[in-house]
Amino acid sequence: GENVEQHPSTLSVQEGDSAVIKCTYSDSASNYFPWYKQELGKGPQLIIDIRSNVGEKKDQRIAVTLNKTAKHFSLHITETQPEDSAVYFCAATQSGGSYIPTFGRGTSLIVHP
Amino acid sequence: DTAVSQTPKYLVTQMGNDKSIKCEQNLGHDTMYWYKQDSKKFLKIMFSYNNKELIINETVPNRFSPKSPDKAHLNLHINSLELGDSAVYFCASSLRQPGTGDVYGYTFGSGTRLTVV
Repeated sequence: GENVEQHPSTLSVQEGDSAVIKCTYSDSASNYFPWYKQELGKGPQLIIDIRSNVGEKKDQRIAVTLNKTAKHFSLHITETQPEDSAVYFCAATQSGGSYIPTFGRGTSLIVHP
Repeated sequence: DTAVSQTPKYLVTQMGNDKSIKCEQNLGHDTMYWYKQDSKKFLKIMFSYNNKELIINETVPNRFSPKSPDKAHLNLHINSLELGDSAVYFCASSLRQPGTGDVYGYTFGSGTRLTVV
């Protein structure tokens, strides 16, 4: 089965700095990599995703990169703001409907004003 | 207009009791899920269900059972509650793309915090 490792478990940055969260996966058949943000007391929310046919995707201050050869993918947040503080989860899966994503163990991002 | 709604938000109960958590989605999604999140925030899939197949994580005790009266609802029944069942339980839903059947992203509910005393 798929195994997803996520690092770091905690990340503390100053407002305005960049934050990078890294994940590795084990199953070369995985082709879909979503990222979720979980704010305190809420459920995870899909914030960005990437499919294996592209290497990078951007949405305003957030971007994801994927290296299929090395089996790793990363979340980049630029110009961090206090409202970015949350737990972020990466996941890896095959996109077929019968497959269930394997989640990383989460990164707690703290942005200090 | 809550997309995936769970009730109750908090549930405190004694060991040995039987309880249910309800989930409803109004997104028109065809697949629903239950996840358990432990105190270390690890998200563990419990069930995946659509009108054709139920996928059960084999590590889930058979005290837990999903019940789906229709496509928009997937309730979670728990019998003989134990202290270790204390966690946050999330319902989620997704839509299989027409033609390919691919799934891209889940919509999660806001969670039910279950405390067994």
